[in-house]
Amino acid sequence: DIQMTQSPSSVSASVGDRVTITCRASQGVDNWLAWYQQKPGKAPTLLIYTISTLQSGVPSRFSGSGSGTDFTLTISSLQPEDSATYFCQQAYSFPRTFGPGTKVEIK
Amino acid sequence: QVQLQESGPRLVKPSETLSLTCTVSGGSISPYFWYWIRQPPGKSLEWIGYVYYHGGTEYNPSLKSRLTMSVATSKNQFYLNLTSVTAADTAVYYCARGVFNGYDFGAFEIWGQGTMVTVSS
Repeated sequence: DIQMTQSPSSVSASVGDRVTITCRASQGVDNWLAWYQQKPGKAPTLLIYTISTLQSGVPSRFSGSGSGTDFTLTISSLQPEDSATYFCQQAYSFPRTFGPGTKVEIK
Repeated sequence: QVQLQESGPRLVKPSETLSLTCTVSGGSISPYFWYWIRQPPGKSLEWIGYVYYHGGTEYNPSLKSRLTMSVATSKNQFYLNLTSVTAADTAVYYCARGVFNGYDFGAFEIWGQGTMVTVSS
């Protein structure tokens, strides 16, 4: 199985800040990398797939980048509604695997 | 718009079978991939597997020996059966639809609200 790691495990930032979350895969996943947002008690929602394709309806302040084994989710200007846990997921091989999550809090 | 709804018992006894149904409303089962994903309390997400609209499946090897997924296109439903459950199977179970545009992108664009299943005697 491909192992996914994320850093940091949590981050606290102010409204308007730029926030960057890193995801690393234990082996190359080509461009098959997705990001999700999950709020407490809710199902995850898809933000980005194939590294940088923004899912319909997702605000443009979210962006993804990276290649091979190292990927980044960036929130360009943090908003109060962005307080959530963010997960990366590889879609390169079976079984699909997720990272442990990064909790984003608003100061 | 397309919505998914999980249904099934919330409490299952150890060694018994966990059975869940996902009902798709507002859209068709075909031509999509339909997934089950679970999340133990306070933990990350675990991919369980998928069933394709024509019945093909792919399972997580860690669960494969206990797992069966199926689909009923006439009912717009798909199903999960997990046998010989233990406390380690306690989790929120989600059904989801894959991103598909002539190809499975392996990401999950529509999710059910999730159903908490507890394994306990």
